[in-house]
Amino acid sequence: DAGITQSPRHKVTETGTPVTLRCHQTENHRYMYWYRQDPGHGLRLIHYSYGVKDTDKGEVSDGYSVSRSKTEDFLLTLESATSSQTSVYFCAISDRSGGNIQYFGAGTRLSVL
Amino acid sequence: GIQVEQSPPDLILQEGANSTLRCNFSDSVNNLQWFHQNPWGQLINLFYIPSGTKQNGRLSATTVATERYSLLYISSSQTTDSGVYFCAVVGAGGTSYGKLTFGQGTILTVHP
Repeated sequence: DAGITQSPRHKVTETGTPVTLRCHQTENHRYMYWYRQDPGHGLRLIHYSYGVKDTDKGEVSDGYSVSRSKTEDFLLTLESATSSQTSVYFCAISDRSGGNIQYFGAGTRLSVL
Repeated sequence: GIQVEQSPPDLILQEGANSTLRCNFSDSVNNLQWFHQNPWGQLINLFYIPSGTKQNGRLSATTVATERYSLLYISSSQTTDSGVYFCAVVGAGGTSYGKLTFGQGTILTVHP
């Protein structure tokens, strides 16, 4: 399996609190992605990065921000968590846009109460 | 954006049976991947198959890019095959940065 570590693996938080999820890779891949998985919606792209400090929005980016200060780390921040952000969050990496394989981390289960 | 539809949404099999899962997509693709999400939630790469045919043990996949569909075949199914199977694609148009669009998945249940 690709060297992808997501932390934390589980988190319970309260509405209105900030939350940061971390994705760490040891593969030196250029591209990194954050997806969320919800029942009835499959996986949807939140944000992605195509290099250090290069990020852009995905399909469901409202309420989320990201940062990538070094190749190996991609952070997803919920500035003020809401119950609608209760979900399972997956990080993925790939080393070539479009035509290469994406590998997924184990996921982070987030509950916002 | 590109649309991905998977069928059937649910599939129940007896152990040993064969099955075919289908993925239709609405536009040309650079990337097509099949994943198995196991009961623990882990997404496992099965195939990277934007075109052609591949086989891995009891599983095989075929993508007919010109007709915009892909098929995943599972032969001699086992209870460990249970879970959700996802098809995901990267559209070929424009600058996609490898962003995957997922289908809704097929929930497979294999009974002993």
